[in-house]
Amino acid sequence: DADVTQTPRNRITKTGKRIMLECSQTKGHDRMYWYRQDPGLGLRLIYYSFDVKDINKGEISDGYSVSRQAQAKFSLSLESAIPNQTALYFCATSSSGRTGELFFGEGSRLTVL
Amino acid sequence: DQQVKQNSPSLSVQEGRISILNCDYTNSMFDYFLWYKKYPAEGPTFLISISSIKDKNEDGRFTVFLNKSAKHLSLHIVPSQPGDSAVYFCAANPGSGGYNKLIFGAGTRLAVHP
Repeated sequence: DADVTQTPRNRITKTGKRIMLECSQTKGHDRMYWYRQDPGLGLRLIYYSFDVKDINKGEISDGYSVSRQAQAKFSLSLESAIPNQTALYFCATSSSGRTGELFFGEGSRLTVL
Repeated sequence: DQQVKQNSPSLSVQEGRISILNCDYTNSMFDYFLWYKKYPAEGPTFLISISSIKDKNEDGRFTVFLNKSAKHLSLHIVPSQPGDSAVYFCAANPGSGGYNKLIFGAGTRLAVHP
C-alpha cells in the first residue's frame, strides 16, 4: 500500500461545483503539502501544514481551502470549481530533515468542464 | 518570475550514453537542491539532492553538480537506460522555518532510446 494515498485519483466535474480531494499518510510525518502540476509550469505549492493547528497559504492559494483533520489527513477543497483549476494535484509529506525531501502521493487528476 | 528554471522541455539520448539535465536558479539563499523523477500516472519520487555548501554529490549512476557562481546545477546519468525515461524536476529548498516548501522547475522529459 502507498504511504501517501490520494482520493479520488480522477474526477470530472462542472463549473461551480464543490470538490474535495483527500490525502492520508502512514509515514508519521507532521508536515503535509498540496501541490498543483500544470504543463510547462512544474509543481506549485497551494497550501502547507505543520500540524493540525497550523495551516499556511502557498504560492497559489486563491480559490482553494484546506483542512487538517488529523496528523495523517489533509484535504483540499475547491469551493466553486472553475475550468482553470483543471490540473494534476499532488499531496506530499515531509519530516523535519533539512534536505527538504518530500514524499508524494500518486496524484489526483481533476477536470473542470 | 520563476526562481527555478529548466529551459529544456525535452531531451533524447541513446541507451548507454550520458544524459545531462540542466537547471538554473535565481535565489542565492537556497539551502538544498533536489532532483525528482516522475513516471506517468505516478507521483514524483526523490532521486538525489545536494547541499548548497557542496559542489558534487554522487549516487550510483546519478551525479548532481552545483555551480553556485553561475547559479546552475546539472544532473548527469551515466550510463542512461530505457527505464530512466521519465520527467525530471529540479527543485530548491529555501530552508525557511523548518517547512520544506520546495520550489520546482517546469521539468524536462527524458527519453532514452535503444
